[in-house]
Amino acid sequence: DAKTTQPPSMDCAEGRAANLPCNHSTISGNEYVYWYRQIHSQGPQYIIHGLKNNETNEMASLIITEDRKSSTLILPHATLRDTAVYYCIVRSTGGSEKLVFGKGTKLTVNP
Amino acid sequence: DGGITQSPKYLFRKEGQNVTLSCEQNLNHDAMYWYRQDPGQGLRLIYYSQIVNDFQKGDIAEGYSVSREKKESFPLTVTSAQKNPTAFYLCASSTLQGAWEKLFFGSGTQLSVL
Repeated sequence: DAKTTQPPSMDCAEGRAANLPCNHSTISGNEYVYWYRQIHSQGPQYIIHGLKNNETNEMASLIITEDRKSSTLILPHATLRDTAVYYCIVRSTGGSEKLVFGKGTKLTVNP
Repeated sequence: DGGITQSPKYLFRKEGQNVTLSCEQNLNHDAMYWYRQDPGQGLRLIYYSQIVNDFQKGDIAEGYSVSREKKESFPLTVTSAQKNPTAFYLCASSTLQGAWEKLFFGSGTQLSVL
């Protein structure tokens, strides 16, 4: 079972920031938070991951609360090509535990 | 360019027929995975392999079989025992190096039953 809770859908205006929330209240100390996205009829694409510090890369920023029970993925200037399903996943470091993809959040960026 | 290639893009299966989905990677990754995705649902793990000549069942392995004879290849056979095979099938790979794991996915194969 997925260890995360995400809203099923969100809308965002093109050019505005998209803030996608994720609750992971049972996260343990050695579990990372990963974000992937899946554009329609394609394979998922890795976006970003973090353990406890905020992270930023060329695609997005990840903000993790101090208690690590929730996080937010931020797309600073959403474009129409960012319309996709976004998956928030938690997984422990190393070992054989596999990434479990829930239903994610369907983000629609509107012109 | 390095990546994962899945073929065919679309595949049709007749009743009682086995079909094989191809997955090839040139990323020199040790681990490979097969996921199934049904409309509006998340991904469910079918099989995975962390090393050549070894593989483990995932959450929904019944009706499927795999082989890992080469590091680059991880074909999935959907057997006639899989009664509801219509789905989008995704292959992925990862390095397994370091404390965290980043999956690279192929573009998927849509399997339908005639």
